[in-house]
Amino acid sequence: GQQLNQSPQSMFIQEGEDVSMNCTSSSIFNTWLWYKQDPGEGPVLLIALYKAGELTSNGRLTAQFGITRKDSFLNISASIPSDVGIYFCAGQDNNAGNMLTFGGGTRLMVKP
Amino acid sequence: DAGVIQSPRHEVTEMGQEVTLRCKPISGHNSLFWYRQTMMRGLELLIYFNNNVPIDDSGMPEDRFSAKMPNASFSTLKIQPSEPRDSAVYFCASSWRATQYFGPGTRLTVL
Repeated sequence: GQQLNQSPQSMFIQEGEDVSMNCTSSSIFNTWLWYKQDPGEGPVLLIALYKAGELTSNGRLTAQFGITRKDSFLNISASIPSDVGIYFCAGQDNNAGNMLTFGGGTRLMVKP
Repeated sequence: DAGVIQSPRHEVTEMGQEVTLRCKPISGHNSLFWYRQTMMRGLELLIYFNNNVPIDDSGMPEDRFSAKMPNASFSTLKIQPSEPRDSAVYFCASSWRATQYFGPGTRLTVL
């Protein structure tokens, strides 16, 4: 089956630094999604990407849908303490209906 | 707009008891998903409904787990009998197309 490799697994950074994380797939996806999960809560959608090459921003967050359709990255600029959490990428393949394949998550820790 | 609603938020029960988790999807969404999240296994898809019909239940661990969606605005996930290894956070998510929106989850502890 499809697999999503998400890296890094964890990051410990200083407040104000920029962050980059990415996901790669063994096969093509039609949609890439990025979620953030805070402790004790459900994943919250950050950015949705629907087209190869698409670059989308949401405040300090920027994500891109790789041109090969097999990868995506998420950047966070000027990190702040509330960016702490687990970030998940997810891919959707039209052959799988509306099901998503999730990456293993990147745990982000920010030192004030 | 109300998001996905799940109840209860927390459930503590004893081994062997029946547990029922409830979900109200976002109005207008036609797909509903039940996930389980643990530290060891991460986020696992249990079952997926489309237009109230179960499409893929290959992730349901065993016959002790069952899920129903009697109408477009309600779904249940039932575990009978529950076991300590069922302890996890269970999420419901709904979508209209690919973009899924998650509920806050039910933290289940089976003693």
